[in-house]
Amino acid sequence: KAGVTQTPRYLIKTRGQQVTLSCSPISGHRSVSWYQQTPGQGLQFLFEYFSETQRNKGNFPGRFSGRQFSNSRSEMNVSTLELGDSALYLCASSHDTYEHYGYTFGSGTRLTVV
Amino acid sequence: AQTVTQSQPEMSVQEAETVTLSCTYDTSESDYYLFWYKQPPSRQMILVIRQEAYKQQNATENRFSVNFQKAAKSFSLKISDSQLGDAAMYFCAYRSESPSNTGKLIFGQGTTLQVKP
Repeated sequence: KAGVTQTPRYLIKTRGQQVTLSCSPISGHRSVSWYQQTPGQGLQFLFEYFSETQRNKGNFPGRFSGRQFSNSRSEMNVSTLELGDSALYLCASSHDTYEHYGYTFGSGTRLTVV
Repeated sequence: AQTVTQSQPEMSVQEAETVTLSCTYDTSESDYYLFWYKQPPSRQMILVIRQEAYKQQNATENRFSVNFQKAAKSFSLKISDSQLGDAAMYFCAYRSESPSNTGKLIFGQGTTLQVKP
């Protein structure tokens, strides 16, 4: 059974640009959550999608957005990149009914903004 | 709002020995789930163990067990017979039962565990 796949693994972008990150959940999982991990702020919840709808959102500016496709794959977009957006972005998927069993994470995308 | 606190930024243990990582949380809810995740240098977060708040029995997964004290809002992880492969950053996480918090884990700041041969 394939795990959660995140692409790309690494990205280097220039301040002001925009970036799109991709996450393919485990087959059968319809919930996808995104997290930002930085040394200073730790792991912070960005948003969660289920059946192509955003169900929950964290405290991030509107430059951070996402979407989910009918096959449950999700993308996260950050516009007008700032230096402070440099982070490891993790996505996690779960089977909605058994969400409390835990979430399966991908290996993340390391974004560096220069 | 719920918070999770891991007061030990770093811990070390001798191979084959036992180590306990601490976690406390703050919540006004009565139903929730608690997790311990491990993040090795490969970056992937791996679920180690989970605990339902309504269960009094402490969860156990092979060499990993928890000490869940609901009244004290404490959720510590005990690793027995530590192995070199246990070296990683460990995160304690809280998930609310509330539908408005769907998909959201609240993480502690993490504890880096070093295993000495």
